[in-house]
Amino acid sequence: EVQLVESGGDLVQPGGSLRLSCAASGFTFTHYWMSWVRQAPGKGLEWVANIKHDGSEKYYVDSVKGRFTISRDTAKSSLYLQMNSLRAEDTAVYYCARDGWSSGYYKFDSWGQGTLVTVSS
Amino acid sequence: DIQMTQSPSSLSASVGDRVTITCRASQSISTYLNWYQQKPGKAPKLLIYAASSLQSGVPSRFSGSGSGTDFTLTISSLQPEDFTTYYCQQSYSTPRTFGQGTKVEIK
Repeated sequence: EVQLVESGGDLVQPGGSLRLSCAASGFTFTHYWMSWVRQAPGKGLEWVANIKHDGSEKYYVDSVKGRFTISRDTAKSSLYLQMNSLRAEDTAVYYCARDGWSSGYYKFDSWGQGTLVTVSS
Repeated sequence: DIQMTQSPSSLSASVGDRVTITCRASQSISTYLNWYQQKPGKAPKLLIYAASSLQSGVPSRFSGSGSGTDFTLTISSLQPEDFTTYYCQQSYSTPRTFGQGTKVEIK
C-alpha cells in the first residue's frame, strides 16, 4: 500500500523558515516524480513544486521561486520542502503527492494527509 | 501559465441525480486533464486522468470527457458520499494548475 506521511508543519513568524518532510513507502520511490501541493484555509488547491526521480530537475510556482527548495533523499525515501522568507500568504495545508505516470499522462495518484503551516506574528 | 476555470462554482442536487461539472482551459491541453474529489479535512482523491480514464477503484458512475479546452466530469447517479468538492487540474505544462473547485451540495 502506498503511504505518504508529511511532518514539520508549525506556527512560524513572517520571515521565518520551516522544513517539511514526507516519508514515502509502499512503492519504488526512485521511479516517480514527486510534488508538493498546498491549500490555504477555505481555498482551492495550488501546486507548489515538483522534483524528478533522480533530483536532477526541479520546478516551482512563481510565488515561491527563490524562497522554497524541494529536495529528496533516495536512501530515506523522503521528500522535503525547505521554506524560507515565509509570508502570511504561505499559510496552508501542504500535501505531498506522488506524480503517477500512465501512458504519457501525469496524475497526482497518491497523497499524504497534509501538514499545516501557519505564518503569523 | 494555463488558467483552469470550473463551472458552476457550486450546485445543488439530489441523490440519484445526474450531475455535470465543466472545466475550461485557457489554451489547448489536448487530453492532459485530471479530476479530483476532496472531502472536508481530507486529501484530494484522483477520480479521472487523461480526461476520460477512470482511476483504479473509482466507481463507474464517475466519467470524464473532452479534449482541447473544454472538459466535463459527470456523475451518473449521485450517491450520499458524492456531496463534496471537485477539482480539475491540467498536466499539460508546468505549473500544474487547478480549477477553483465545484462544491456539490444536497438540495
